[in-house]
Amino acid sequence: QKEVEQNSGPLSVPEGAIASLNCTYSDRGSQSFFWYRQYSGKSPELIMFIYSNGDKEDGRFTAQLNKASQYVSLLIRDSQPSDSATYLCAVNMGGTSYDKVIFGPGTSLSVIP
Amino acid sequence: EPEVTQTPSHQVTQMGQEVILRCVPISNHLYFYWYRQILGQKVEFLVSFYNNEISEKSEIFDDQFSVERPDGSNFTLKIRSTKLEDSAMYFCASSEAKRNEQFFGPGTRLTVL
Repeated sequence: QKEVEQNSGPLSVPEGAIASLNCTYSDRGSQSFFWYRQYSGKSPELIMFIYSNGDKEDGRFTAQLNKASQYVSLLIRDSQPSDSATYLCAVNMGGTSYDKVIFGPGTSLSVIP
Repeated sequence: EPEVTQTPSHQVTQMGQEVILRCVPISNHLYFYWYRQILGQKVEFLVSFYNNEISEKSEIFDDQFSVERPDGSNFTLKIRSTKLEDSAMYFCASSEAKRNEQFFGPGTRLTVL
């Protein structure tokens, strides 16, 4: 069974701090990795997409991918109360399942003013 | 900015009835997806669709489910005989290319009584 795992949280950080969210995946052949933000009752909103080892930065967000360790993370700098949401890690499966995306259970983030 | 749209936003049906959920993907996208999210649980992949055929489906997507692209813009999910456990949010997503970013619609909340 191919899995994506995340700490469920809740993760609480003070406003202005760095929030660090982690995700591991079981399928070594996975190709693409996504971070989505989901507010309660809303649909997932894409924040980051990464497919190469290393870091990818977009504004206050940095995604880090380490395929050897099967690990992907998301850093949120200068956290704001509006960042309070559930963050979903999603992984595009490898091999013949190239069109299947598996989501992790999500990490709930609370940014305290 | 282009976005995925879904109708209806909320569908209430009786157990055993057929429902059709509708989606209009982003216009230049070629890959289409359905996901569901039972309340309080993770987002689950149902099916992917490309070039007028299913490219991948999960074990959830059994014979009671079907998908169709009836014209150049709509993408539908049909549930033939709904069960209580089909109650969930159903999200449509689209992507420009395989393994690329998937953009989600706002979802349809299906309630089976």
